[in-house]
Amino acid sequence: TQLLEQSPQFLSIQEGENLTVYCNSSSVFSSLQWYRQEPGEGPVLLVTVVTGGEVKKLKRLTFQFGDARKDSSLHITAAQPGDTGLYLCAGQETSGSRLTFGEGTQLTVNP
Amino acid sequence: ETGVTQTPRHLVMGMTNKKSLKCEQHLGHNAMYWYKQSAKKPLELMFVYNFKEQTENNSVPSRFSPECPNSSHLFLHLHTLQPEDSALYLCASSQVGGAVYEQYFGPGTRLTVT
Repeated sequence: TQLLEQSPQFLSIQEGENLTVYCNSSSVFSSLQWYRQEPGEGPVLLVTVVTGGEVKKLKRLTFQFGDARKDSSLHITAAQPGDTGLYLCAGQETSGSRLTFGEGTQLTVNP
Repeated sequence: ETGVTQTPRHLVMGMTNKKSLKCEQHLGHNAMYWYKQSAKKPLELMFVYNFKEQTENNSVPSRFSPECPNSSHLFLHLHTLQPEDSALYLCASSQVGGAVYEQYFGPGTRLTVT
């Protein structure tokens, strides 16, 4: 089983600040997905990155897939309280359809 | 209804009870999954069904019994659970067969075993 490590585990910032969340592995993934989960709800898919070096933007969120497809980052610009939630990365294993999830980064954006 | 739905949203049961969790996907996908999410742990994959056939069982205790009557519906039958089974149980679906498998999750069932 491939492993994914997310950092930091917890992040508390003020509204308007920028932040980056990291997702790292020693294994190669076919694709990598980012989810956001709010309390009492299921994870919601934000983006999927497939190609090494790929960068995708979703409003104030920028996602990057590492050149070797082993790591990824999520950068949020000018964070807002509505960005608060648990951010999960999930790598699609090269052997099939299984997703390996990181432990998540709990982000709190204070007004 | 759109996406993936789960019922009930909350469930409290005693250790001797029998209950079932239900999941339905309205996305036309051909694979469905059960996950367990406990505090401070990564999502744990429990079962995978592709085209109604169970393709994965990650050493889940027999007190959890899945059922997939068709590609849109998935059940998790529960009996003689333990307090440590209290968690958020998430259902997901995806379309397998292509190169990229994106999973879409339901809202989950918050289970408390007393």
